[in-house]
Amino acid sequence: KNEVEQSPQNLTAQEGEFITINCSYSVGISALHWLQQHPGGGIVSLFMLSSGKKKHGRLIATINIQEKHSSLHITASHPRDSAVYICAVRGTGNQFYFGTGTSLTVIP
Amino acid sequence: NAGVTQTPKFQVLKTGQSMTLQCAQDMNHNSMYWYRQDPGMGLRLIYYSASEGTTDKGEVPNGYNVSRLNKREFSLRLESAAPSQTSVYFCASSRTGRRNTEAFFGQGTRLTVV
Repeated sequence: KNEVEQSPQNLTAQEGEFITINCSYSVGISALHWLQQHPGGGIVSLFMLSSGKKKHGRLIATINIQEKHSSLHITASHPRDSAVYICAVRGTGNQFYFGTGTSLTVIP
Repeated sequence: NAGVTQTPKFQVLKTGQSMTLQCAQDMNHNSMYWYRQDPGMGLRLIYYSASEGTTDKGEVPNGYNVSRLNKREFSLRLESAAPSQTSVYFCASSRTGRRNTEAFFGQGTRLTVV
């Protein structure tokens, strides 16, 4: 069983739609990360959070430590948001655990 | 500030050939990691180094060796490549000993073993 589970695996949205990607984890964590990977590209960190909520532009990330759950929201989605979004948690040691990613396609 | 630099970006090997993937970071991070990414499986840890001179096996170490040459560099070697090692490889680094620290990733190396 994966330590980090993401849903959905694939998501197609119309431009302008509100998008939610969910992440659940089963290990104790020091922080949770949301990463973005564009096709053929590297991986960049969008958010790192250990409690509450963070917002950056049209992206919002929330975490509920008690429920071991996090969500990534994209408001007013745009085709340039099309990418794979990866949830990762940093365990109580130095290791990271990764979800399998959510592939998002935003259609104009 | 280049962050994490990986070379090469693409490589094709024949079965049995050897090669070394290079990784360097300029953020003075202690922790460095090598992952492989395969479809439907997410990132899996191959090896990890908490500091210069130390390395530890991750989830999928078989067929690989690593070397932490100094604080900046962490290389991954395939001694005898196999088709099962066809994958995208990512190097990453982070600070050690701090709870809230980001991981920074290289651009990835797309390796094909034929």
